[in-house]
Amino acid sequence: AQSVTQPDIHITVSEGASLELRCNYSYGATPYLFWYVQSPGQGLQLLLKYFSGDTLVQGIKGFEAEFKRSQSSFNLRKPSVHWSDAAEYFCAVTAYDQGNQFYFGTGTSLTVIP
Amino acid sequence: DAEITQSPRHKITETGRQVTLACHQTWNHNNMFWYRQDLGHGLRLIHYSYGVQDTNKGEVSDGYSVSRSNTEDLPLTLESAASSQTSVYFCASSEGDSYEQYFGPGTRLTVT
Repeated sequence: AQSVTQPDIHITVSEGASLELRCNYSYGATPYLFWYVQSPGQGLQLLLKYFSGDTLVQGIKGFEAEFKRSQSSFNLRKPSVHWSDAAEYFCAVTAYDQGNQFYFGTGTSLTVIP
Repeated sequence: DAEITQSPRHKITETGRQVTLACHQTWNHNNMFWYRQDLGHGLRLIHYSYGVQDTNKGEVSDGYSVSRSNTEDLPLTLESAASSQTSVYFCASSEGDSYEQYFGPGTRLTVT
């Protein structure tokens, strides 16, 4: 069965520091991977996605993620965090044979301190 | 601008009552989805639809039903609300094989 693990429930970083949020997936075929961000009281917004090709993908708001098949990982990174990045981040996986059905991780809550 | 809306945004109901949550999208997307979000579980798929008259069960469909009579709407019905259905519900839509889902703002449902 497909699954997504986000090992870090909560992360705190200082403004201006770098950020890496971890995501590991379990899926037999080639996965399609996504990162979403959820601000308090809001719906989810797509940050970036990976289908194939270049394993380093760029997204909105200065975020990037790297697909590592050997490690079954799709970690999200940002070189310099802004206070407005404080939010909940979700990793999700689907595949061509999953008919658009997404499997989400449990989320990582990011706090940014001044 | 095209969008996806949910109503109501907040709802309090009693155990045993039937509740319907509305989802409306103006993108003309074929695919629509309902999720529930609970602490420690992330988002879990309840039901989904690939087009008019098409509905499918997701991971946590027990106690919920949907119907798709037009492209724009996918209402979610709780037949007999239970306290375990207290949650935040999100609707999403996507077009064809794009795999990019657009989410609504959510409905917070409390069952007392």
